[in-house]
Amino acid sequence: EDKVVQSPLSLVVHEGDTVTLNCSYEVTNFRSLLWYKQEKKAPTFLFMLTSSGIEKKSGRLSSILDKKELFSILNITATQTGDSAVYLCAVQRNNAGNMLTFGGGTRLMVKP
Amino acid sequence: DGGITQSPKYLFRKEGQNVTLSCEQNLNHDAMYWYRQDPGQGLRLIYYSQIVNDFQKGDIAEGYSVSREKKESFPLTVTSAQKNPTAFYLCASSISNIQYFGAGTRLSVL
Repeated sequence: EDKVVQSPLSLVVHEGDTVTLNCSYEVTNFRSLLWYKQEKKAPTFLFMLTSSGIEKKSGRLSSILDKKELFSILNITATQTGDSAVYLCAVQRNNAGNMLTFGGGTRLMVKP
Repeated sequence: DGGITQSPKYLFRKEGQNVTLSCEQNLNHDAMYWYRQDPGQGLRLIYYSQIVNDFQKGDIAEGYSVSREKKESFPLTVTSAQKNPTAFYLCASSISNIQYFGAGTRLSVL
C-alpha cells in the first residue's frame, strides 16, 4: 500500500521567515511527486517532480526530490501572510493512470 | 471561463436520503476523480474515470456511486449506505499527469 507522510503537521511562523516542509513516501513503481497549496477550498497545483536533485522554482517557492531517500521538501522563503494554507504532497505510480495518493498535509500559518 | 465547477457549495443530507454532487468541466480532460477530505486530513480517492462510460472504485468507494455518461460531467451520489458522509468533497480532472481541482462541496448530515 502506498504511503505518504508529511511533516510537520502544522507550523506557525512570522512574515519574512523561511520554512521547509517535508514529504516522505513509500510507493511501488514511483512516477512523480506533486505539491499542492490548499487555502480554503480547491487545492492549486504548485510543482511536479520526477527526477532526483533537480530543483523546481516558482518565485519564493522551490522544491526538490530525493528518489534514493524517498522524500521531497518544499521551501518557502520570505514568507508572507498569503502563504498561509495547507500544503499537500501526493505521489503517482506508473501504470496507475494519473491517480494520486495524498499525505495528510502541513498547515502553515504566517503571522504578520 | 474554463475550469471545474462543483455544485452545490453546501449540502445537507437527512438520514436515509441519497444526495448527488455535481462536477462539470469544460477543459476537455478525459480523466475525472472524486476525493473525500475529512478535517485535518489529506484527500482520499472515492472513484475515478479515465474515459466516458468507464469508472473504477478508489480506496473508499463503499456507500458512493458515480456515472460518466458525458466527458464533461462526473456526478457523485452519496447513498444512504454511507453512514458517515459529513466531509468536504473535491472533484478533479487531469491532463499531462496533473490533476486540477474544483472548489468543493461541503456535505453535512441533518
